[in-house]
Amino acid sequence: GDSVTQTEGLVTLTEGLPVMLNCTYQSTYSPFLFWYVQHLNEAPKLLLKSFTDNKRPEHQGFHATLHKSSSSFHLQKSSAQLSDSALYYCALSDRGTNTGKLTFGDGTVLTVKP
Amino acid sequence: NAGVIQTPRHKVTGKGQEATLWCEPISGHSAVFWYRQTIVQGLEFLTYFRNQAPIDDSGMPKERFSAQMPNQSHSTLKIQSTQPQDSAVYLCASEHWGGYEQYFGPGTRLTVL
Repeated sequence: GDSVTQTEGLVTLTEGLPVMLNCTYQSTYSPFLFWYVQHLNEAPKLLLKSFTDNKRPEHQGFHATLHKSSSSFHLQKSSAQLSDSALYYCALSDRGTNTGKLTFGDGTVLTVKP
Repeated sequence: NAGVIQTPRHKVTGKGQEATLWCEPISGHSAVFWYRQTIVQGLEFLTYFRNQAPIDDSGMPKERFSAQMPNQSHSTLKIQSTQPQDSAVYLCASEHWGGYEQYFGPGTRLTVL
């Protein structure tokens, strides 16, 4: 079955330093990969999505490249901001089976300190 | 656009009681998903509907959980004989099918005493 692995449960950074959150996945068919961000007491919101190998979508300063060869979709940002503090989920949707359900990783809590 | 609406926002039930959670998807979205979020298990898929038809309920605990979508404007998740381990935030999401973006509601926090 499909699975998503986020190796870091908690990442603490100083403002201005680069961000990298790891995401690897296993999928039987043709995966679509997503990053969702959830701020405290809010609903998860889509941050990035990618369906195409080696393309690099960007949003709000974040970017991630889907590498099918290594089954990875790591999230990066060049300079962390205090407002980036949140819970980040990597997720997979296997559209090859025509199902839209999302399989989530365990999530990474990012805390950015001044 | 009010976004996905979930009611109630908080619900407290006693062990063994029934809980019904409501979701109103974004108008025009043809797919509705239910997820459960806990500290221990994270975000787990429960079930989903497309054009009101149940498509996949592989994440639903079979015995006490049921979901319906009687019309395109709302879906319900019913939990019978609630147990303390059912305590979680239940999230509903909707998607314009083919848009590949699920919009989540604020969730219903269920607490079973």
